[in-house]
Amino acid sequence: ETGVTQSPTHLIKTRGQQVTLRCSSQSGHNTVSWYQQALGQGPQFIFQYYREEENGRGNFPPRFSGLQFPNYSSELNVNALELDDSALYLCASSPGEGLNEKLFFGSGTQLSVL
Amino acid sequence: GQQLNQSPQSMFIQEGEDVSMNCTSSSIFNTWLWYKQEPGEGPVLLIALYKAGELTSNGRLTAQFGITRKDSFLNISASIPSDVGIYFCAGLRRAAGNKLTFGGGTRVLVKP
Repeated sequence: ETGVTQSPTHLIKTRGQQVTLRCSSQSGHNTVSWYQQALGQGPQFIFQYYREEENGRGNFPPRFSGLQFPNYSSELNVNALELDDSALYLCASSPGEGLNEKLFFGSGTQLSVL
Repeated sequence: GQQLNQSPQSMFIQEGEDVSMNCTSSSIFNTWLWYKQEPGEGPVLLIALYKAGELTSNGRLTAQFGITRKDSFLNISASIPSDVGIYFCAGLRRAAGNKLTFGGGTRVLVKP
């Protein structure tokens, strides 16, 4: 059984650039959630994808967008990067919509915006 | 911002000690979860609690779902060096679309 994998592990961008982060869900999981974890804080919910559609969104601006593909993998896109976007971005998958108590997290992508 | 308040923010443990941490909220949660995160990794689920008053153990870890549904506690008995890490509480509220909300974490360190 393959766990949640994220790529890249680390990324450095400059302010104003765009970034795409990728996530492969755990085998058998059809729901993917994205979280932002700033240094010294807990993860903050960005959004969730189920059946290739956004299924709930946290308090993040529209420049944070995502996609889910038929194989359940997902992308997080952030446009017009700001310094405060520097954080660990975590992807988590679960075996079904609404089963958020069964989230399995990847190791994250550490994004630094200079 | 965080809706869940964890305390303490950090603590030092000595091998063999019992330690406790808690999580409080002004809102009612339907499910409480406790995670542990180690450097370079994502959070890993330790314990899930589904009803008020529930007491659940996982090895040396014991967690309780508060009667008011606004708090939860995690105890680690006979701590060992590998207990070092950041412990997060998290809650699910049906009124909030059943999406996971995390606390700010309790950082557990070993006494020098």
